[in-house]
Amino acid sequence: DAVMTQTPLSLPVSLGDQASISCRSSQSLENSNGNTYLNWYLQKPGQSPQLLIYRVSNRFSGVLDRFSGSGSGTDFTLKISRVEAEDLGVYFCLQVTHVPYTFGGGTKLEIK
Amino acid sequence: EVQLQQSGPELVKPGASVKISCKASGYSFTGYYMHWVKQSHVKSLEWIGRINPYNGATSYNQNFKDKASLTVDKSSSTAYMELHSLTSEDSAVYYCVRYDFDYWGQGTTLTVSS
Repeated sequence: DAVMTQTPLSLPVSLGDQASISCRSSQSLENSNGNTYLNWYLQKPGQSPQLLIYRVSNRFSGVLDRFSGSGSGTDFTLKISRVEAEDLGVYFCLQVTHVPYTFGGGTKLEIK
Repeated sequence: EVQLQQSGPELVKPGASVKISCKASGYSFTGYYMHWVKQSHVKSLEWIGRINPYNGATSYNQNFKDKASLTVDKSSSTAYMELHSLTSEDSAVYYCVRYDFDYWGQGTTLTVSS
């Protein structure tokens, strides 16, 4: 199975700061078709995860451009610029290249 | 608007089975696989498996192949997941999730307790 390792576990930030979250896979996530299936989600307290970024760097409908994704192969990063209070919660990565699909352990973004 | 509406919380006894539903609306139900995901405090998020609503074909995470059974009712655009031989380790929130993992149901909380 592709093991997804997310760091850090907790990320204290000040409002207005930039935040960066890393997700590393134990296997390359590039598919034989050339696509890389790595998504990022935000889960706010008491809610379902909401899709932010799909296929490494594509923002989902309605997602603000303060959120950006990058990376390739086994190393991926989610950046949040100018953090706002509504951005707080737990961020997850998900790989959908290899079955079984696997999630990162989560990064809690909180106020410093 | 795509919506996945799941059934309500369940409290069941160890050894029993439970069937959770997920009613889809706002898109062509048979055109998109449906996934099921488990979220627990112990193991965070785990993919259970997926079903093709068009023909009922399934694919399971090996860790859940004896635990979960996925079915659909095309006439009502509803996906189902049945969990068998329940133990306390099955206590979790379960989500149905559309094909690209884009839209998620609101989650169903399962508590297994005597």
